[in-house]
Amino acid sequence: EPEVTQTPSHQVTQMGQEVILRCVPISNHLYFYWYRQILGQKVEFLVSFYNNEISEKSEIFDDQFSVERPDGSNFTLKIRSTKLEDSAMYFCASRRSRGVQETQYFGPGTRLLVL
Amino acid sequence: ILNVEQSPQSLHVQEGDSTNFTCSFPSSNFYALHWYRWETAKSPEALFVMTLNGDEKKKGRISATLNTKEGYSYLYIKGSQPEDSATYLCAFRGNAGNMLTFGGGTRLMVKP
Repeated sequence: EPEVTQTPSHQVTQMGQEVILRCVPISNHLYFYWYRQILGQKVEFLVSFYNNEISEKSEIFDDQFSVERPDGSNFTLKIRSTKLEDSAMYFCASRRSRGVQETQYFGPGTRLLVL
Repeated sequence: ILNVEQSPQSLHVQEGDSTNFTCSFPSSNFYALHWYRWETAKSPEALFVMTLNGDEKKKGRISATLNTKEGYSYLYIKGSQPEDSATYLCAFRGNAGNMLTFGGGTRLMVKP
């Protein structure tokens, strides 16, 4: 069964460093998302991406964040200058269409720790 | 800010017990309600997408109901098994966009 994959599974970085989190969505899906979960908190929406552009973003998704679909298969989240509060589990998700019954399929997440 | 709440936060049951938990969400601008099952270190697994008031969906021993007028959904597990141990997440989708707003999850532990 097709699945969303994410790499790396864990990443440790120093405050101020740039990180790139990678995702390979399901191949015939058109809508892509990033969410995150800070330890002990709810899963929060960051950004959605369709047709090579951002379609929605939350207040969390500020100028430090960017997304890209560089080669038609990968979907990346870049954090330019990480802060301690960026430590979280980051989930990628994809969906085939906008239909009301369509499921968002999630990857297993990347656990990011900023020291 | 949308408020999606789940209760209880955690639940310990014995193998064979039936159990249920609740997701409450805004009753206005409703589009869909998603249920996921999430085991540690794995991808959240989609269980149901509920869209119509009065919907009831079933997958094996797990079923869910939806009341959009009062803003709640119940998830039921009949005859819990240890492999049902996981966190169950609900997520609200409003009609203004396609992002999901998650509840805090119910962590279910089934003792053999």
